[in-house]
Amino acid sequence: DTEVTQTPKHLVMGMTNKKSLKCEQHMGHRAMYWYKQKAKKPPELMFVYSYEKLSINESVPSRFSPECPNSSLLNLHLHALQPEDSALYLCASSRFAGGADGELFFGEGSRLTVL
Amino acid sequence: SQQGEEDPQALSIQEGENATMNCSYKTSINNLQWYRQNSGRGLVHLILIRSNEREKHSGRLRVTLDTSKKSSSLLITASRAADTASYFCATDPNNNDMRFGAGTRLTVKP
Repeated sequence: DTEVTQTPKHLVMGMTNKKSLKCEQHMGHRAMYWYKQKAKKPPELMFVYSYEKLSINESVPSRFSPECPNSSLLNLHLHALQPEDSALYLCASSRFAGGADGELFFGEGSRLTVL
Repeated sequence: SQQGEEDPQALSIQEGENATMNCSYKTSINNLQWYRQNSGRGLVHLILIRSNEREKHSGRLRVTLDTSKKSSSLLITASRAADTASYFCATDPNNNDMRFGAGTRLTVKP
């Protein structure tokens, strides 16, 4: 069982909607990540938060807005998305940012469909 | 951007056979990690090999690392149908991120 919880598991939204994806971990990890994954492709890094501060933004369009309210929570706010944004959105956490200190723990993902 | 390439892109074998997947990366690393993903699910960490290690074992998994060639291989011995999944290598090229290779889709036929 994963110790990173993502909600919702599935989300269908129109291009004018505003929605949010949520991620929660209680392992005391200080780094949290958002990845986007299209079918048959590897996860693509979107954002990294380290100690609740945004440390990496991979030139993600502003229609994706991350938020880290505290060390256990990570949100991804969605607004005015395009159909090509449909994908599996994966949240992950690690003790510290980067791989030096060990593995990433992933949630099961939120499957997003934009109509 | 992704860190590297993996080959083969897809591999189909019979149960009981060994499966070997390769990964190449572009920059210096602290360590290299391998992950597994069942279709449409989250990724699960398999094994980590540090940059000063050359080989590591975990159960039926054997990982090698050649930093001079910037490459790694994952060997799964005595494969089972339940090993059917996608396998990704991952590195931290900027020391504060984790980036994944293109992945190998493994199918183990019963």
